[in-house]
Amino acid sequence: AQSVAQPEDQVNVAEGNPLTVKCTYSVSGNPYLFWYVQYPNRGLQFLLKYITGDNLVKGSYGFEAEFNKSQTSFHLKKPSALVSDSALYFCAVRDYIKAAGNKLTFGGGTRVLVKP
Amino acid sequence: GAVVSQHPSRVICKSGTSVKIECRSLDFQATTMFWYRQFPKQSLMLMATSNEGSKATYEQGVEKDKFLINHASLTLSTLTVTSAHPEDSSFYICSARVSGQLYNEQFFGPGTRLTVL
Repeated sequence: AQSVAQPEDQVNVAEGNPLTVKCTYSVSGNPYLFWYVQYPNRGLQFLLKYITGDNLVKGSYGFEAEFNKSQTSFHLKKPSALVSDSALYFCAVRDYIKAAGNKLTFGGGTRVLVKP
Repeated sequence: GAVVSQHPSRVICKSGTSVKIECRSLDFQATTMFWYRQFPKQSLMLMATSNEGSKATYEQGVEKDKFLINHASLTLSTLTVTSAHPEDSSFYICSARVSGQLYNEQFFGPGTRLTVL
């Protein structure tokens, strides 16, 4: 079975400071990893994904994430946070093995609050 | 990017009535659509996977007779909550995967907030 853990329910950061949202995963095979952001009463917006290749993935709105196979992590980062980055962030994983059902499994979400 | 729409965005209904939520992929064909349920301040829980032209696959614990899913075309899937109860009140989100792209991201609709009185 595949699973995702986001250990922090909330992350507070001052505007202009670096932002990190943590994510660890567990899959049987090779992982496909995703980050999504959700604003209040809205659906999920895709930020970035890791399928294969470079471990450092760059995505939308200045976000990036680093795939670390040995630590089974895929932390989301932004060098300089904006107040508008305040939202709910979800990490998700899909197992490469087709038998796993090709389903996305989401972490519990991390609420990011960027203060001016 | 690909756009997924949902209708209605918000619905309030009385207990015992049925509510239909539509999910459309606007500019692409989606062989597979997913229905999620999200409680306040919680993560998305997959309810069912909907494949065009075939019966939906429900996750464990989801009542298929209560949550009817129809995926009649490559651009439309519907979720009908039958005999709604107040505990069915939730935020329902659909998602679609582009046909033939097994590993690519899923595109999500804006969600439908259901309130059952």
